[in-house]
Amino acid sequence: LAKTTQPISMDSYEGQEVNITCSHNNIATNDYITWYQQFPSQGPRFIIQGYKTKVTNEVASLFIPADRKSSTLSLPRVSLSDTAVYYCLALKAAGNKLTFGGGTRVLVKP
Amino acid sequence: GAGVSQSPSNKVTEKGKDVELRCDPISGHTALYWYRQSLGQGLEFLIYFQGNSAPDKSGLPSDRFSAERTGGSVSTLTIQRTQQEDSAVYLCASSLAGGTDQPQHFGDGTRLSIL
Repeated sequence: LAKTTQPISMDSYEGQEVNITCSHNNIATNDYITWYQQFPSQGPRFIIQGYKTKVTNEVASLFIPADRKSSTLSLPRVSLSDTAVYYCLALKAAGNKLTFGGGTRVLVKP
Repeated sequence: GAGVSQSPSNKVTEKGKDVELRCDPISGHTALYWYRQSLGQGLEFLIYFQGNSAPDKSGLPSDRFSAERTGGSVSTLTIQRTQQEDSAVYLCASSLAGGTDQPQHFGDGTRLSIL
């Protein structure tokens, strides 16, 4: 499990785009980059996963540069309900013991 | 559709008592995980079941902790002789298989408080 570093917190406003960058300098060849979202009193929820370039789903986009040493989660047009903690992980292909760090606490203001 | 279900949602017990926490994974998911999350902290891996293979118990913090998975479905996490430091939210997750490309789906956890 590669060590990841992400900002502790970010503030935004409704309707804005939120970009959270995660660094994983020691990412291994077979690591996938995965993001989870967690609301208070709930379990983490899978948002998006990618290996390289760009991945987009109905919730977010994930941008991964060619060197894969960082990744950026992009949340388009956030709403108040996007206030949560967002966790970035770089996982090896074998072994799936998720170890979340502190994550990024995103606060969306009206 | 049905997600991962955990029970009870809250458990308060006295120090020294045994507790059992239950997890019902998503139907068809062969991989099941238990984690612990202390207040304001990240996730701590406890144990991992994959199909009929021997479980990976490498994250269990002491021999007071044990888990079983019957019939490849429901799992029970047991904590014997509970201590105050066991207070945390215990989360269960399941995935289609054990591969990295299979995201884990979490329940909402059991909040355990040891008095």
